[in-house]
Amino acid sequence: AQSVTQLDSQVPVFEEAPVELRCNYSSSVSVYLFWYVQYPNQGLQLLLKYLSGSTLVKSINGFEAEFNKSQTSFHLRKPSVHISDTAEYFCAVSYNQGGKLIFGQGTELSVKP
Amino acid sequence: NAGVTQTPKFRILKIGQSMTLQCTQDMNHNYMYWYRQDPGMGLKLIYYSVGAGITDKGEVPNGYNVSRSTTEDFPLRLELAAPSQTSVYFCASVPKGGVRRVTEAFFGQGTRLTVV
Repeated sequence: AQSVTQLDSQVPVFEEAPVELRCNYSSSVSVYLFWYVQYPNQGLQLLLKYLSGSTLVKSINGFEAEFNKSQTSFHLRKPSVHISDTAEYFCAVSYNQGGKLIFGQGTELSVKP
Repeated sequence: NAGVTQTPKFRILKIGQSMTLQCTQDMNHNYMYWYRQDPGMGLKLIYYSVGAGITDKGEVPNGYNVSRSTTEDFPLRLELAAPSQTSVYFCASVPKGGVRRVTEAFFGQGTRLTVV
């Protein structure tokens, strides 16, 4: 069965420290990868996505993720986090054009001063 | 544009009661989805629709029903509420892309449902 695994349920870090949130997915011929962010009591917002082309994708607020086909991973990184990055982050995969998403369990990022 | 609108935002139901969670999108998206979110479990797909008049089961459809009479609306029906249906429910929509075009999902703000 198709699946997405986020290896860390909670990641506490200090402000201005680097962070990596890990995501692995079950292998497929073609795959489309997404990171969504959920702030408290809100819906999910797209952070970044990989559809094709360059394996390194970046968001406007400093996050980046790299698609690694051999390791079936799509880890999310940020070199220096802010308090405002505190949120839950979801990795998601789509295996076709219809957009049906399979989500990981989520990683709660907690940035402390 | 309002995007994806869900109502109500909060609801408490008694066991055995019924209710409908409303979802409306004004972006003319073809695809619509209902997910439930439980702590530590991520989001699980309940039902989805690829267009008006077409619906299909997702990963966790038991206890729910849907209909899609228009492109805009995709209500989720709980017929006999059970405590296991206590969750946060999200509706999402996706535009129909062309060949090899995969686009992002747009989510509503969620409905927090408690069954007691």
